[in-house]
Amino acid sequence: DTGVSQDPRHKITKRGQNVTFRCDPISEHNRLYWYRQTLGQGPEFLTYFQNEAQLEKSRLLSDRFSAERPKGSFSTLEIQRTEQGDSAMYLCASSFDVGGAREQFFGPGTRLTVL
Amino acid sequence: AQSVTQLGSHVSVSEGALVLLRCNYSSSVPPYLFWYVQYPNQGLQLLLKYTSAATLVKGINGFEAEFKKSETSFHLTKPSAHMSDAAEYFCAVSGGNSGYSTLTFGKGTMLLVSP
Repeated sequence: DTGVSQDPRHKITKRGQNVTFRCDPISEHNRLYWYRQTLGQGPEFLTYFQNEAQLEKSRLLSDRFSAERPKGSFSTLEIQRTEQGDSAMYLCASSFDVGGAREQFFGPGTRLTVL
Repeated sequence: AQSVTQLGSHVSVSEGALVLLRCNYSSSVPPYLFWYVQYPNQGLQLLLKYTSAATLVKGINGFEAEFKKSETSFHLTKPSAHMSDAAEYFCAVSGGNSGYSTLTFGKGTMLLVSP
């Protein structure tokens, strides 16, 4: 078990560029979550998947944000036309849905800096 | 909507002293409650969770927390602080209108441990 991995760990981009982040969950986990964490704040929920189905996406910050999990394994989060306000840590988590409290295991995050 | 309030953005203790990190929540339904720890440039690691069983929950690294419904609190304690406990701690709640699939985090408390 290698845990949740995220790639890249750091991304620096210029305003207006598109960026894509990848998350590989723990292999047997069927749920995958994306959060955003800004400086001095706790993680903020963005969206989540159960297998390949995106069950909640209303909390995505704008229509510039989109996420996919095409085969129910890894997921990508894309931000189009980046803005300086998008600079943050983007965290991915996964869990195994067995009912009750679903412990989420977090990856190390991707830190995005928009210049 | 559910919410989490963590009192004190920074808490300083001496090595060997009692650690007390405060968390109050609001939820329209019986909540599940979590404490996570985050070390610099790393993801979040689960310390402990409350899932409506025992109100006193023991976690890893000597931490424990007590669920008090009448006070809507879930404070985190450790009898004796170690230097390695220095990190940021997040309280989180799931339940309510958002369901049990998403976590709502507090803003975090940075624990500083001095020799």
